[in-house]
Amino acid sequence: ETGVTQTPRHLVMGMTNKKSLKCEQHLGHNAMYWYKQSAKKPLELMFVYSLEERVENNSVPSRFSPECPNSSHLFLHLHTLQPEDSALYLCASSQDQGVFGTVGELFFGEGSRLTVL
Amino acid sequence: AQKVTQAQTEISVVEKEDVTLDCVYETRDTTYYLFWYKQPPSGELVFLIRRNSFDEQNEISGRYSWNFQKSTSSFNFTITASQVVDSAVYFCALSQTGNQFYFGTGTSLTVIP
Repeated sequence: ETGVTQTPRHLVMGMTNKKSLKCEQHLGHNAMYWYKQSAKKPLELMFVYSLEERVENNSVPSRFSPECPNSSHLFLHLHTLQPEDSALYLCASSQDQGVFGTVGELFFGEGSRLTVL
Repeated sequence: AQKVTQAQTEISVVEKEDVTLDCVYETRDTTYYLFWYKQPPSGELVFLIRRNSFDEQNEISGRYSWNFQKSTSSFNFTITASQVVDSAVYFCALSQTGNQFYFGTGTSLTVIP
C-alpha cells in the first residue's frame, strides 16, 4: 500500500467546472509537491510546500490553486481549465532537511488522470 | 543550470537480455544527489536508488546495478536478465536542495516474453 494516496484517480471536467484533487501522505514527511506529467515531457514541478508553507511556485497559471492545510494533506483546486491542462497530476512527499541536510527521495502517489473537455 | 538527459526514449529487449538505461546530467554544484525512479502502468513513481555526488561507488541490488561516473556526468542503470515485470518507464533525476528535483524525460522499457 502506497504511503501517498491521491483521489480521484480519474477526473473528466469541462472548461467551466471547478474541481479539486486531493493528496494525503502517511509517512510523516514535512514537504509535499504537485507535479504535472505530460507525454514526452519531463515532470513539471508545480508547487512545493515545506512545513506547510509554499516554497516555490514555478509560474503556474492561476487556474491552478494549491492548498496545504497541514503537513499530511495537499489539495490542487482546478478552475476554468484548458484542454492542454489534460495530464497526469502526481503528488509526492519527502523529508526536507534544508539546504545543509541530506536530500531525501520523493515518494509519489499513483496520480490523478485529468481530462479537460 | 541543472538538466537531466535521457536520450533513449524507448527500448525493447527480449526477456533475459541485459539492458542499460543512460542518464546524463548537468550541474555546476559540487554537492548533488542523483535518483532513479520506475513508473509502472499504474502511474506511481517508485524510488529505486539515491546517490550523492561524493560517493562514486557502483551499486548492485539484485538484478539492478548503477554506474556513476562524475568524469562523464553519467549515472547509468543496468538491468541484468530482464523480466517482463521490468517493463515500465524509468526516470533519472537530479537534486541539489531538499525540494527541487530535475527529472529527465524518461525511458520506456518493454521486455518481450
